[in-house]
Amino acid sequence: QSALTQPPSASGSPGQSVTISCTGTSSDVGGYNYVSWYQQYPGKAPKLMIYEVTERPSGVPDRFSGSKSGNTASLTVSGLQAEDEADYYCGSFAGNSNAVFGGGTKLTVL
Amino acid sequence: EVQVVESGGGLVQRGGSLRLSCVASGFTYWMGWVRQAPGKGLEWVASVGQDGREKYYADSVKGRFAISRDNAKNSLYLQMNSLRAEDTAVYYCVRDRGFYSFESWGQGTLVAVSS
Repeated sequence: QSALTQPPSASGSPGQSVTISCTGTSSDVGGYNYVSWYQQYPGKAPKLMIYEVTERPSGVPDRFSGSKSGNTASLTVSGLQAEDEADYYCGSFAGNSNAVFGGGTKLTVL
Repeated sequence: EVQVVESGGGLVQRGGSLRLSCVASGFTYWMGWVRQAPGKGLEWVASVGQDGREKYYADSVKGRFAISRDNAKNSLYLQMNSLRAEDTAVYYCVRDRGFYSFESWGQGTLVAVSS
Protein backbone atom coordinates (compact mmCIF):
# COMPACT_ATOMS: atom_id res chain seq x y z
CA GLN A 1 0.00 0.00 0.00
CA SER A 2 2.28 2.80 -1.24
CA ALA A 3 1.07 6.33 -0.70
CA LEU A 4 -0.18 8.35 -3.63
CA THR A 5 2.12 11.15 -4.82
CA GLN A 6 1.10 14.79 -4.40
CA PRO A 7 3.17 17.96 -4.73
CA PRO A 8 4.01 19.28 -1.25
CA SER A 9 2.82 22.76 -2.08
CA ALA A 10 0.74 24.79 -4.51
CA SER A 11 -0.21 28.44 -4.65
CA GLY A 12 -2.28 31.00 -6.49
CA SER A 13 -3.63 34.50 -6.20
CA PRO A 14 -7.23 35.29 -5.31
CA GLY A 15 -9.50 34.72 -8.29
CA GLN A 16 -7.04 32.44 -10.05
CA SER A 17 -7.34 28.68 -10.59
CA VAL A 18 -4.97 26.11 -9.17
CA THR A 19 -4.73 22.38 -9.86
CA ILE A 20 -3.31 19.79 -7.50
CA SER A 21 -2.24 16.43 -8.89
CA CYS A 22 -2.38 12.99 -7.30
CA THR A 23 -0.43 10.19 -8.97
CA GLY A 24 -0.91 6.54 -8.22
CA THR A 25 -0.82 3.31 -10.17
CA SER A 26 -3.15 1.07 -12.13
CA SER A 27 -3.86 -0.71 -8.83
CA ASP A 28 -5.45 2.31 -7.24
CA VAL A 29 -6.13 5.64 -8.99
CA GLY A 30 -5.94 4.23 -12.49
CA GLY A 31 -7.91 1.10 -11.75
CA TYR A 32 -11.04 2.53 -10.16
CA ASN A 33 -13.21 5.64 -10.29
CA TYR A 34 -13.07 5.94 -6.51
CA VAL A 35 -10.78 8.89 -5.95
CA SER A 36 -11.68 11.35 -3.21
CA TRP A 37 -10.27 14.69 -2.06
CA TYR A 38 -10.20 16.16 1.45
CA GLN A 39 -9.60 19.66 2.79
CA GLN A 40 -8.00 20.06 6.20
CA TYR A 41 -7.42 23.23 8.20
CA PRO A 42 -4.73 23.20 10.92
CA GLY A 43 -5.91 21.41 14.02
CA LYS A 44 -9.19 20.38 12.41
CA ALA A 45 -10.59 17.16 10.99
CA PRO A 46 -10.50 16.63 7.23
CA LYS A 47 -13.59 17.40 5.15
CA LEU A 48 -14.66 15.47 2.07
CA MET A 49 -14.65 17.78 -0.97
CA ILE A 50 -14.82 15.36 -3.92
CA TYR A 51 -15.73 11.67 -4.18
CA GLU A 52 -15.85 9.21 -7.06
CA VAL A 53 -13.39 11.40 -9.00
CA THR A 54 -15.84 14.18 -9.92
CA GLU A 55 -18.74 14.24 -7.46
CA ARG A 56 -19.24 17.01 -4.90
CA PRO A 57 -21.02 16.40 -1.59
CA SER A 58 -23.87 18.74 -0.77
CA GLY A 59 -22.58 22.10 0.44
CA VAL A 60 -19.21 22.01 -1.31
CA PRO A 61 -18.85 25.02 -3.63
CA ASP A 62 -18.77 24.27 -7.35
CA ARG A 63 -15.42 26.08 -7.46
CA PHE A 64 -14.00 22.69 -6.51
CA SER A 65 -13.84 20.11 -9.26
CA GLY A 66 -12.13 16.78 -9.82
CA SER A 67 -10.88 14.83 -12.80
CA LYS A 68 -8.74 11.85 -13.69
CA SER A 69 -6.54 10.77 -16.55
CA GLY A 70 -4.82 7.41 -16.40
CA ASN A 71 -3.07 7.00 -13.07
CA THR A 72 -3.29 10.69 -12.15
CA ALA A 73 -6.22 12.45 -10.53
CA SER A 74 -6.52 16.20 -10.15
CA LEU A 75 -8.34 18.68 -7.96
CA THR A 76 -8.96 22.12 -9.43
CA VAL A 77 -9.95 25.09 -7.31
CA SER A 78 -11.31 27.93 -9.43
CA GLY A 79 -11.81 31.51 -8.31
CA LEU A 80 -9.41 31.08 -5.39
CA GLN A 81 -10.50 32.61 -2.11
CA ALA A 82 -8.53 33.23 1.05
CA GLU A 83 -10.57 30.56 2.85
CA ASP A 84 -9.30 27.91 0.43
CA GLU A 85 -5.87 28.05 2.04
CA ALA A 86 -5.54 24.61 3.65
CA ASP A 87 -3.99 21.18 3.24
CA TYR A 88 -5.52 18.94 0.59
CA TYR A 89 -5.28 15.15 0.51
CA CYS A 90 -6.31 12.71 -2.18
CA GLY A 91 -7.43 9.19 -1.42
CA SER A 92 -8.25 6.17 -3.50
CA PHE A 93 -9.74 2.72 -3.27
CA ALA A 94 -6.79 0.38 -3.81
CA GLY A 95 -8.44 -2.98 -4.42
CA ASN A 96 -8.54 -5.89 -1.98
CA SER A 97 -10.69 -3.69 0.24
CA ASN A 98 -7.82 -1.33 0.99
CA ALA A 99 -7.48 2.44 0.76
CA VAL A 100 -4.51 4.71 0.24
CA PHE A 101 -3.97 8.45 0.70
CA GLY A 102 -1.60 10.96 -0.79
CA GLY A 103 1.00 12.79 1.28
CA GLY A 104 -0.92 16.06 1.15
CA THR A 105 -0.52 19.43 -0.58
CA LYS A 106 -0.39 22.74 1.24
CA LEU A 107 -2.34 25.30 -0.77
CA THR A 108 -1.32 28.91 -0.22
CA VAL A 109 -3.44 31.82 -1.40
CA LEU A 110 -1.00 34.62 -2.16
CA GLU B 1 -25.67 16.72 10.08
CA VAL B 2 -23.90 13.52 11.08
CA GLN B 3 -22.36 13.62 14.54
CA VAL B 4 -19.24 11.56 15.19
CA VAL B 5 -17.53 11.57 18.58
CA GLU B 6 -14.42 9.56 19.47
CA SER B 7 -13.03 8.74 22.89
CA GLY B 8 -10.46 6.51 24.52
CA GLY B 9 -7.18 8.02 23.43
CA GLY B 10 -4.29 8.64 25.80
CA LEU B 11 -0.69 7.89 26.67
CA VAL B 12 0.34 4.23 26.68
CA GLN B 13 3.65 2.42 26.90
CA ARG B 14 5.13 0.56 23.98
CA GLY B 15 3.69 -2.93 23.83
CA GLY B 16 0.55 -1.86 25.66
CA SER B 17 -3.10 -1.84 24.64
CA LEU B 18 -5.82 0.76 24.20
CA ARG B 19 -9.44 0.67 23.06
CA LEU B 20 -10.91 3.53 21.10
CA SER B 21 -14.65 4.14 20.90
CA CYS B 22 -16.81 6.21 18.60
CA VAL B 23 -20.50 7.09 18.68
CA ALA B 24 -22.06 8.24 15.43
CA SER B 25 -25.48 9.17 14.14
CA GLY B 26 -26.66 7.67 10.87
CA PHE B 27 -24.84 4.44 11.67
CA THR B 28 -26.15 2.24 8.85
CA TYR B 29 -23.01 2.63 6.79
CA TRP B 30 -19.59 1.15 6.51
CA MET B 31 -17.43 2.73 9.21
CA GLY B 32 -13.70 2.98 9.69
CA TRP B 33 -10.68 4.53 11.35
CA VAL B 34 -8.13 6.85 9.76
CA ARG B 35 -5.08 8.14 11.60
CA GLN B 36 -2.71 11.05 11.25
CA ALA B 37 0.71 11.08 12.89
CA PRO B 38 1.86 14.49 14.18
CA GLY B 39 2.72 16.72 11.22
CA LYS B 40 2.10 13.90 8.76
CA GLY B 41 -0.51 12.82 6.24
CA LEU B 42 -3.57 10.62 6.52
CA GLU B 43 -3.39 6.84 6.78
CA TRP B 44 -6.34 4.47 6.49
CA VAL B 45 -6.31 1.99 9.37
CA ALA B 46 -9.37 -0.27 9.20
CA SER B 47 -12.95 -0.56 7.96
CA VAL B 48 -15.98 -2.63 8.91
CA GLY B 49 -19.16 -3.43 7.00
CA GLN B 50 -22.69 -2.57 8.06
CA ASP B 51 -23.35 -5.85 9.85
CA GLY B 52 -19.87 -6.13 11.33
CA ARG B 53 -18.87 -9.28 9.50
CA GLU B 54 -16.58 -7.81 6.87
CA LYS B 55 -13.42 -6.30 8.34
CA TYR B 56 -10.35 -4.97 6.56
CA TYR B 57 -7.04 -3.66 7.84
CA ALA B 58 -3.99 -1.80 6.64
CA ASP B 59 -0.90 -4.01 6.53
CA SER B 60 0.72 -1.81 9.19
CA VAL B 61 -1.84 -2.83 11.83
CA LYS B 62 -2.96 -6.26 10.68
CA GLY B 63 -2.77 -8.80 13.50
CA ARG B 64 -2.47 -6.10 16.19
CA PHE B 65 -5.66 -4.03 15.81
CA ALA B 66 -9.27 -5.20 15.74
CA ILE B 67 -12.23 -3.19 14.54
CA SER B 68 -15.76 -3.93 15.71
CA ARG B 69 -19.16 -2.28 15.97
CA ASP B 70 -22.34 -2.44 18.02
CA ASN B 71 -25.22 -1.23 15.86
CA ALA B 72 -27.64 -1.21 18.80
CA LYS B 73 -25.42 1.42 20.44
CA ASN B 74 -24.41 3.25 17.23
CA SER B 75 -20.85 2.56 18.32
CA LEU B 76 -17.59 1.70 16.62
CA TYR B 77 -14.50 0.37 18.37
CA LEU B 78 -10.81 -0.11 17.69
CA GLN B 79 -8.91 -2.47 19.97
CA MET B 80 -5.21 -1.71 19.64
CA ASN B 81 -2.68 -4.21 20.99
CA SER B 82 1.13 -4.45 20.86
CA LEU B 83 1.32 -0.71 20.34
CA ARG B 84 4.44 0.77 18.77
CA ALA B 85 5.89 4.27 18.72
CA GLU B 86 4.83 4.59 15.09
CA ASP B 87 1.19 4.14 16.10
CA THR B 88 1.31 7.57 17.74
CA ALA B 89 -1.32 9.63 15.93
CA VAL B 90 -4.69 11.29 16.05
CA TYR B 91 -7.26 8.61 15.28
CA TYR B 92 -10.39 9.67 13.43
CA CYS B 93 -13.62 7.71 13.31
CA VAL B 94 -15.10 8.01 9.83
CA ARG B 95 -18.32 7.17 8.03
CA ASP B 96 -17.78 5.73 4.57
CA ARG B 97 -20.21 6.81 1.85
CA GLY B 98 -18.88 4.02 -0.35
CA PHE B 99 -15.58 2.65 -1.60
CA TYR B 100 -13.53 4.47 0.99
CA SER B 101 -14.88 7.99 0.47
CA PHE B 102 -15.01 9.21 4.05
CA GLU B 103 -17.81 11.72 4.35
CA SER B 104 -18.08 12.26 8.10
CA TRP B 105 -15.21 12.65 10.53
CA GLY B 106 -15.03 13.01 14.27
CA GLN B 107 -12.79 15.50 16.01
CA GLY B 108 -10.16 12.82 16.55
CA THR B 109 -8.60 11.28 19.63
CA LEU B 110 -4.86 11.34 20.28
CA VAL B 111 -2.97 8.13 20.97
CA ALA B 112 0.62 8.60 22.16
CA VAL B 113 2.88 5.57 22.56
CA SER B 114 5.91 6.12 24.75
CA SER B 115 9.09 4.15 24.40
